[in-house]
Amino acid sequence: DGGITQSPKYLFRKEGQNVTLSCEQNLNHDAMYWYRQDPGQGLRLIYYSQIVNDFQKGDIAEGYSVSREKKESFPLTVTSAQKNPTAFYLCASSMQGTVEAYEQYFGPGTRLTVT
Amino acid sequence: AQSVAQPEDQVNVAEGNPLTVKCTYSVSGNPYLFWYVQYPNRGLQFLLKYITGDNLVKGSYGFEAEFNKSQTSFHLKKPSALVSDSALYFCAVRDSGDLFGNEKLTFGTGTRLTIIP
Repeated sequence: DGGITQSPKYLFRKEGQNVTLSCEQNLNHDAMYWYRQDPGQGLRLIYYSQIVNDFQKGDIAEGYSVSREKKESFPLTVTSAQKNPTAFYLCASSMQGTVEAYEQYFGPGTRLTVT
Repeated sequence: AQSVAQPEDQVNVAEGNPLTVKCTYSVSGNPYLFWYVQYPNRGLQFLLKYITGDNLVKGSYGFEAEFNKSQTSFHLKKPSALVSDSALYFCAVRDSGDLFGNEKLTFGTGTRLTIIP
């Protein structure tokens, strides 16, 4: 988990509220990612960013939004449009390159519960 | 499109015995393959990766994985299991032939490994 921090560890919200999850890295990585983890479904990519001020939708982007104003930060907002927001959210980062395939480093995760 | 399958949701192994966690993949180009481990309520930790070269890759904590191109597999192995190896293991793949240089990984659904004392 070293180098990537996610806060808070546990988050509770009422249905209909937007909520923002924090992700910060001090690894000087260009690329950052947000995943959602549900039991039995593995990790699914929500959004990713390969450079500041640019990001792309992943496989399950509906109901989520992100920003990448700084290299170190990639916050994720879970909007009220997300139908099943309760899940474990993981942020990751990696170096960027066309020759080498770099492993992703993960934060400790945020468990979001919406009731 | 790239995909990865972990056919076993659960693997139980007696302590001291060899362990294998299976992974198969599908990509259009050459694969970059990764194994990660997750302990309860924690993020994923990188174990090892295959990019090119020797088919047997050695990683952290005594784990190794064998790349088999003809069987499109990348099974994780360890000669002698420890109770502390009990965790959730994920295989992931990236297609080296991605024209846009995407760094996206596709993860399997995970295999829960339990080492029985």
